[in-house]
Amino acid sequence: EIVLTQSPGTLSLSPGERATLSCRASQSVSSSYLAWYQQKPGQAPRLLIYGASSRATGIPDRFSGSGSGTDFTLTISRLEPEDFAVYYCQQYGSSLPITFGQGTRLEIK
Amino acid sequence: QVQLVQSGTEVKKPGASVKVSCKASGYTFSTYGFSWVRQAPGQGLEWMGWISAYNGDTNFAQNLQGRVTMTTDTSTSTAYMELRSLRSDDTAVYYCARSLGYCSGTSCYTSYFDYWGQGTLVTVSS
Repeated sequence: EIVLTQSPGTLSLSPGERATLSCRASQSVSSSYLAWYQQKPGQAPRLLIYGASSRATGIPDRFSGSGSGTDFTLTISRLEPEDFAVYYCQQYGSSLPITFGQGTRLEIK
Repeated sequence: QVQLVQSGTEVKKPGASVKVSCKASGYTFSTYGFSWVRQAPGQGLEWMGWISAYNGDTNFAQNLQGRVTMTTDTSTSTAYMELRSLRSDDTAVYYCARSLGYCSGTSCYTSYFDYWGQGTLVTVSS
């Protein structure tokens, strides 16, 4: 099983700042099968990024993903008030079970 | 537009079973599969398994093998997840999510989850 470790656990920033979230895998994620989701309280997760760097439909371009192998990053270039939420990384593909990181909480400073 | 609408809140006693439904619309049902994901109160996301809506192939998380069944009904475009022998630590919000995938022989591939249902709270309590 591939274990995903996200850091930091909590990130405190102000609107307009840049956010950098990390996801590290216990073994290489094949073909960059790495996705990022955003979850707000009481809501289902929403797909942001798939294939490590491809934005999902309707996702603003301030969200970007990068990385390969075992190290991946989600960057939010300029935080908007609606971006404060919990973010999860996920590895998918043939390396079952599908696993998620434990989440990074992005809170308003 | 793609929508996944799940059934409502359930309260069950330990040892009972629960069956959650997920009705899909806005796309051709059989061209995608469904993963089921659960989230215990205040916790992260746990993948439970995947089912193909094309041919019923399934793949389950090892810790749930033998307790979980996933099915689909193409006539109503609905996916179902049944969990048996419920325990208190099964208390969670259960989500269905659309994903591509396939199985070949003993291995399966499951893609990312592009649309999610709204979630169904299942509470297990005596």
